[in-house]
Amino acid sequence: GDSVTQMEGPVTLSEEAFLTINCTYTATGYPSLFWYVQYPGEGLQLLLKATKADDKGSNKGFEATYRKETTSFHLEKGSVQVSDSAVYFCALSDAGNNRKLIWGLGTSLAVNP
Amino acid sequence: GAGVSQSPSNKVTEKGKDVELRCDPISGHTALYWYRQSLGQGLEFLIYFQGNSAPDKSGLPSDRFSAERTGGSVSTLTIQRTQQEDSAVYLCASRTGSTYEQYFGPGTRLTVT
Repeated sequence: GDSVTQMEGPVTLSEEAFLTINCTYTATGYPSLFWYVQYPGEGLQLLLKATKADDKGSNKGFEATYRKETTSFHLEKGSVQVSDSAVYFCALSDAGNNRKLIWGLGTSLAVNP
Repeated sequence: GAGVSQSPSNKVTEKGKDVELRCDPISGHTALYWYRQSLGQGLEFLIYFQGNSAPDKSGLPSDRFSAERTGGSVSTLTIQRTQQEDSAVYLCASRTGSTYEQYFGPGTRLTVT
């Protein structure tokens, strides 16, 4: 079945450092891909999405490109802030599967001032 | 506008008791999902409702779990004869019929003692 693998954390960075969180997927169809973020004490929020190959999702300085050839959707940000400290989840959704979200295990990010 | 709401926010129950968790989706959202977030298992799909169609119950972990959605809006997840392994955060999400993006409620933290 469909699955998502993302890099294990925790990831600890200094403010203004470059961030990459790797995410790869396995799917039989043509899924949409998502990054969700969970800030401390808060619920899951959609960060960005891409619905087809070569699409780039972006929001709040974060970007991810849907790469069909490498089945990847890596999350990047050029300069992280302390306020970016959170848990990041990669997920896929397939129309053939009721669009339910299949999740990675999450990557915890801590940004130090 | 109003987001997805869930109640209660926290629930502590004794092993063997039944619990009911409530979800109010975003108005106009025809699709509704329940997920479970636990330390050992990450995020797991439980059940999906879409309009008047038969629900997709493929993620329910046992027959102690059931859910209903009344009038195409509010949903209730019921866990009978709770066990300690049911302790988790139960998340509800909704989306429109034509999109992939799901919007999450704040969750109900269930603790079974």
